[in-house]
Amino acid sequence: DQQVKQNSPSLSVQEGRISILNCDYTNSMFDYFLWYKKYPAEGPTFLISISSIKDKNEDGRFTVFLNKSAKHLSLHIVPSQPGDSAVYFCAADRGGADGLTFGKGTHLIIQP
Amino acid sequence: DTGVSQNPRHKITKRGQNVTFRCDPISEHNRLYWYRQTLGQGPEFLTYFQNEAQLEKSRLLSDRFSAERPKGSFSTLEIQRTEQGDSAMYLCASSLQGFQEKLFFGSGTQLSVL
Repeated sequence: DQQVKQNSPSLSVQEGRISILNCDYTNSMFDYFLWYKKYPAEGPTFLISISSIKDKNEDGRFTVFLNKSAKHLSLHIVPSQPGDSAVYFCAADRGGADGLTFGKGTHLIIQP
Repeated sequence: DTGVSQNPRHKITKRGQNVTFRCDPISEHNRLYWYRQTLGQGPEFLTYFQNEAQLEKSRLLSDRFSAERPKGSFSTLEIQRTEQGDSAMYLCASSLQGFQEKLFFGSGTQLSVL
């Protein structure tokens, strides 16, 4: 069963507009959430994270929002740039020894 | 380059052969993880080391898989008697033990079993 769900396999956004990527989770033990970005033939690279005690974290063009009651988080990218085209993975950590649990990813395509 | 290094980048093998992958983590990181990623899926946890001790193994890690991390530095992942279902990207990640740690991934080894 998927404990971390990214229900949109792909998303197309025009350059300069806002990109919103969504993620839902089912395990209430998760207390730390991360977004990773992945280009083809490369490993995932860390983008931004948020602790369960917060509802928002911002880093430049990237903002992550967490709604604990809805078990939902989202990544906002504004303004979107061509270099943002990649697969974005949502990941969650419950502090155990089994590392991060990843979603299936959303392929973001930034249209010029 | 001080990132996580994985070798080889690509491996093509015939069914039934054994393969071994190597991961060199970021030097000061004491934790090392192996993940597997198949097409259309996110990375799935396989196993985890803290220093040289293997502390956790996923049920995905069948008896044909073995991982080591001698001396708590580099790690190897061996797959014996490979099967076509083993075809995947094998990712290594390392982290520094701490609260809400971030994993740093290598570029992975793409395995194709013919």
